[in-house]
Amino acid sequence: KQEVTQIPAALSVPEGENLVLNCSFTDSAIYNLQWFRQDPGKGLTSLLLIQSSQREQTSGRLNASLDKSSGRSTLYIAASQPGDSATYLCAVRRRYQKVTFGTGTKLQVIP
Amino acid sequence: EAQVTQNPRYLITVTGKKLTVTCSQNMNHEYMSWYRQDPGLGLRQIYYSMNVEVTDKGDVPEGYKVSRKEKRNFPLILESPSPNQTSLYFCASSLSGGSSGANVLTFGAGSRLTVL
Repeated sequence: KQEVTQIPAALSVPEGENLVLNCSFTDSAIYNLQWFRQDPGKGLTSLLLIQSSQREQTSGRLNASLDKSSGRSTLYIAASQPGDSATYLCAVRRRYQKVTFGTGTKLQVIP
Repeated sequence: EAQVTQNPRYLITVTGKKLTVTCSQNMNHEYMSWYRQDPGLGLRQIYYSMNVEVTDKGDVPEGYKVSRKEKRNFPLILESPSPNQTSLYFCASSLSGGSSGANVLTFGAGSRLTVL
């Protein structure tokens, strides 16, 4: 059974800092890994998707990497802003089309 | 606008009263799925569908039913709701279920269900 872990569960940083969020998964037989953000009381917004054959994806200040062999993905956020405050979730799409989510990292960026 | 629409957004019901949460997408997506989100447990997949008339269980299917009679719709049915089904429910869709980079999961806004 696939298990997905996100550490830390919560993170507080001053504005302007670069930061890294971590996502670990136990079964490397994945199709893709997707990063989302969720604002309080809201739905999920897709940030980046990395296919199993890729090593990284970039969008603006965000960069996500994938190391299938070690079962890890990281989301790098450059020059953090208060608007980046949210819960960040990673989700692994695995065989038989099932999707497993991590429990998330709650990020607070302090002005 | 490309979107996944869920209804109702909020619902309070009583134990045993059958209910249906609807999900519709306008992107001609083949893959659709349902999730529940609970504090401390995160998002867990309930059911998914690869295409019309093709559905399969996720990790927490007990107490739920689904159907996929049309490509755009994927309703979640609670035949006899119980208090432990009180949760925030999300529907999502993607172009297909494969490994392509085009298979970004798009989520609905969520449906908050309370079972008394």
